[in-house]
Amino acid sequence: QQPVQSPQAVILREGEDAVINCSSSKALYSVHWYRQKHGEAPVFLMILLKGGEQKGHEKISASFNEKKQQSSLYLTASQLSYSGTYFCGTEIWAGTASKLTFGTGTRLQVTL
Amino acid sequence: NAGVTQTPKFRILKIGQSMTLQCTQDMNHNYMYWYRQDPGMGLKLIYYSVGAGITDKGEVPNGYNVSRSTTEDFPLRLELAAPSQTSVYFCASSQPDRLRSDEQYFGPGTRLTVT
Repeated sequence: QQPVQSPQAVILREGEDAVINCSSSKALYSVHWYRQKHGEAPVFLMILLKGGEQKGHEKISASFNEKKQQSSLYLTASQLSYSGTYFCGTEIWAGTASKLTFGTGTRLQVTL
Repeated sequence: NAGVTQTPKFRILKIGQSMTLQCTQDMNHNYMYWYRQDPGMGLKLIYYSVGAGITDKGEVPNGYNVSRSTTEDFPLRLELAAPSQTSVYFCASSQPDRLRSDEQYFGPGTRLTVT
């Protein structure tokens, strides 16, 4: 089942902060975050693993609440380059393989 | 490293035609994936593979077929194209293990229109 992201869209002025939320109805192994600019492929931002390990972008932080099956992405001091659509991907291990299910995305626009 | 490459970049098909979307990666990743992305929507998993000779269905496999004869290549076949298959198709690869997930690397995408 597809994770739910909120908000669907947000407009920021440069330097402002934003939080994007991702919620799943299933127990998760990890949560991935990707950013996609218009007409381009998604680009990896961060992984949060069950148990607290993280791997990702230096200037972007995120949290993962395993009990609530929720993750939040924190964008601080936003820059124009942060504009794009942000997707969370929730990962479940099924046998010998893991699969990501992506949310519908949050469109972020940063203006001057 | 070129990463993940996809061909063609654009294609227009008539209803009922068939085609193969090519995907190649040079990172020696075992896992490869095919997604489709409809306008304004997220990515839907079509098929995935955990290694040469092993493939499995994702969320939306109907109308598609895949094969994985080598580690590098993971072609997606569309048989009898339908307008509902108009979408952008992304191939991705990764190298996870049982204990630790890892990022997926995406190709540039193939924009397919079926008319």
